[in-house]
This record gives sequence, structure tokens and C-alpha cells, in this order.
Amino acid sequence: DIQMTQSPSSLSAAVGDRVTITCRASQAISNSLAWYQQNPGRAPKLLLSAASRLEGGVPSRFSGSGSGTDYTLTINSLQPEDFATYYCQQYFTTPRTFGQGTKLEIK
Amino acid sequence: QVQLVQSGVEVRKPGASVKVSCQASGYTFTDYNIHWLRQAPGQGLEWLGRIKTKNGGTNFAQKFRGRVIMTRDTSNSTVFMELSSLTSDDTAIYFCARDKDAEYFPYWGQGARVTVSS
Repeated sequence: DIQMTQSPSSLSAAVGDRVTITCRASQAISNSLAWYQQNPGRAPKLLLSAASRLEGGVPSRFSGSGSGTDYTLTINSLQPEDFATYYCQQYFTTPRTFGQGTKLEIK
Repeated sequence: QVQLVQSGVEVRKPGASVKVSCQASGYTFTDYNIHWLRQAPGQGLEWLGRIKTKNGGTNFAQKFRGRVIMTRDTSNSTVFMELSSLTSDDTAIYFCARDKDAEYFPYWGQGARVTVSS
């Protein structure tokens, strides 16, 4: 199985800040990476696929990059609704696997 | 619009089985696979497996093989996931999700809470 390691596991930031979350795969995944946002008690919401392709309706302050084994999610100018938990997911091989999550908290 | 509506809360004793349903609407049911994922309390997301709605073919994560069954009813656009030999470790919210052009998940059910307790 491909292991997905996110860092940091938690992050404290203020409204207006720029934050970056990193996801490292245990082997190359050829940009087959998705990012999700999850609020407590809710299903995850897809933000990006193919490492950098923004889903419809997702604000442009969210962006993704990376290649090979290393990927990043960047959120520019944090808004109050962005404080949530973020997960990466690889879909290069089965089983589909997720990072352990990054909890973004308000400072 | 695409919707996935899941069955409700379930409580089971250790050793029992649970069957959760997921009814799809808003698209052609057999055009996309349905996946099952779960999230234990305070934990991350775990993929259990998928069912190919076109032909009923299934693939499961190794840890669930022999303990999970996924079926579909095309007449009602519904997928079922049955998990057997439950332990307290199976206490989680179980989500169904639909894929898109690849196996990432733009569409999710609301989740079904399963509690395993004696």
C-alpha cells in the first residue's frame, strides 16, 4: 500500500494568512492526488484533483502543486470558513489511501 | 444534481453484521463506481473498497477481504455494503462516495454512523 504522510498534523494561523500543507507519498504517484476539506460532522469536500486542478466552485485562494512523491496544498488569504481539517488522497494505486489529516485552527 | 443518500444510525453487538445502503440520484447510476470509506471517531479516512455499478464487480482493501460484501440494485440505483464479524474497532461513520474520471471523490453520502458495543 502507498503510505501518505501529511505535515504538519495541526497548524494555527490567522485570518488573512497564507498556509501550506505538505503530503508525501511512499512512492511516486504521478500527480494522482486529491485534496479534501472536512468540517466536523460533515462529509469531506473535494478541493483539487490531479494535484493542481481546482474543482468547480472552490475559491481560487486554494492551489495545489507537486510531482513525484511530494505535493502541497496552499491556501492564500485564509478566510474564517477555511478553518477545518484537510486530507490528501492518492488514487494512483489500489487501495486508495489518505494522509492522516491536517487540522487548521484559528490563531 | 448528484445526490447520495445513506441509511441511518446502526448499533450492533460484537460479532454481528451491519448492512448500510446508499441510494444515488441525479446521474446515470451505472456510469460511475461507488466506493465505501469510513472514519473512526477522531480519526482519518479509510477506503474499504468499490463496486463497479455496471457489472457488480468489487475490489476491497486487503484488511476487509472476507468480511465485507458490496452489492447493488440497479433498479433502485442503490448500493449496499455489509460488514460482518464486527468489533469495537469497526465503530465509525461509513460513507459512500462516487468517483469521477478517476478514483477521487467529488460526491459523498451524508454518512451512516455504526456503533459496535456490547
